[in-house]
Amino acid sequence: DTGVSQDPRHKITKRGQNVTFRCDPISEHNRLYWYRQTLGQGPEFLTYFQNEAQLEKSRLLSDRFSAERPKGSFSTLEIQRTEQGDSAMYLCASSLGTGSGSYNEQFFGPGTRLTVL
Amino acid sequence: AQSVTQPDIHITVSEGASLELRCNYSYGATPYLFWYVQSPGQGLQLLLKYFSGDTLVQGIKGFEAEFKRSQSSFNLRKPSVHWSDAAEYFCAVVFNNAGNMLTFGGGTRLMVKP
Repeated sequence: DTGVSQDPRHKITKRGQNVTFRCDPISEHNRLYWYRQTLGQGPEFLTYFQNEAQLEKSRLLSDRFSAERPKGSFSTLEIQRTEQGDSAMYLCASSLGTGSGSYNEQFFGPGTRLTVL
Repeated sequence: AQSVTQPDIHITVSEGASLELRCNYSYGATPYLFWYVQSPGQGLQLLLKYFSGDTLVQGIKGFEAEFKRSQSSFNLRKPSVHWSDAAEYFCAVVFNNAGNMLTFGGGTRLMVKP
């Protein structure tokens, strides 16, 4: 499978616990994005990496959220001290960036559904 | 403020009937425009996109969309709907001053009657 993969697909946790999600982009893609989708809504942008550099962060990304892409390949999104409002689908996407000012299609993974009890 | 609006939350059409899903955006220039489809348990799949040029764009699965600058709209159409088209459809925009992030509308859930 050469698409974007995410792990786990589902996560149930108790309020106050920490969770970590992983995203593996398409292998040659240098750009990686995280979005959050709550029930009945469209996805909302969280953050974006080009290679290992985190270039943009949404104001939605509170200090309880941290994302990394240490070697410019896979990425992790950690949520500390989870709250019930964090329950959502977390989507990862990747693209092949070919230069500043260019836009290339983002390919999405299947998402990780988080439920905070 | 920059925004994307899909006025119809749910639409039901009969199989074989035509379909139009509406999308409007608020922005002072022409953004990059996209339509995605999301089926249960599946990731978002790109149906079509508009960057510039011909305002009528063709996509996959028989879909097309028309960009109308005067109406700030990018409506999705299909002449004959199939039962397998039942899904959630999202209009998305890249505002040219906002980096590479996609801004999505709230989505339209399409149901298809046999």
